[in-house]
Amino acid sequence: AQSVTQPDARVTVSEGASLQLRCKYSYSGTPYLFWYVQYPRQGLQLLLKYYSGDPVVQGVNGFEAEFIKSNSSFHLRKASVHWSDSAVYFCAVSDNNAGAKLTFGGGTRLTVRP
Amino acid sequence: DMKVTQMPRYLIKRMGENVLLECGQDMSHETMYWYRQDPGLGLQLIYISYDVDSNSEGDIPKGYRVSRKKREHFSLILDSAKTNQTSVYFCASSLWAAQAPLFGEGTRLSVL
Repeated sequence: AQSVTQPDARVTVSEGASLQLRCKYSYSGTPYLFWYVQYPRQGLQLLLKYYSGDPVVQGVNGFEAEFIKSNSSFHLRKASVHWSDSAVYFCAVSDNNAGAKLTFGGGTRLTVRP
Repeated sequence: DMKVTQMPRYLIKRMGENVLLECGQDMSHETMYWYRQDPGLGLQLIYISYDVDSNSEGDIPKGYRVSRKKREHFSLILDSAKTNQTSVYFCASSLWAAQAPLFGEGTRLSVL
């Protein structure tokens, strides 16, 4: 069965600093990978997705992630964070067949200090 | 505007009452999902629907059932709700399974 681990439940950084949120997945084949963001009292919004091809994918608002198959990782990065990036971030994995189910990690709560 | 709509947004029920959560989308998406979100647990898949009357259990289906009689509408039913079903429930849809789903705003359910 597939699974996702986000080892950092909470991360705090200063505004303008760089960011990396970690994501490790467990899946036997080549997965589809996603990062979502959730602001308070809202649903999840897609930041970026990886299906195949270039392992570095660009998302919205300056976010990017890199798929490293050898490490089973899909870490999220941003060069310079803004206070408005404070939110909960979820990594998710799906298998790439017709019966695919999306599995989420536990989430990382990001706080950006002004 | 592409949107997944959930009704109601907030609901308070007593233990043992029946609960109906409704979800709609106007994008003709084939696949629809119901998740619940609890603090520290991320989102857990309750049911997935691949099309009308084509539903499959997710990871935590016990205590829930679903209905999909039209492609654009997917309902989650709790028969005789329990206090441990207090949670935030999210519906989502995607054009086909494995594609990134679009999420609704959620329904916050309290079972007292």
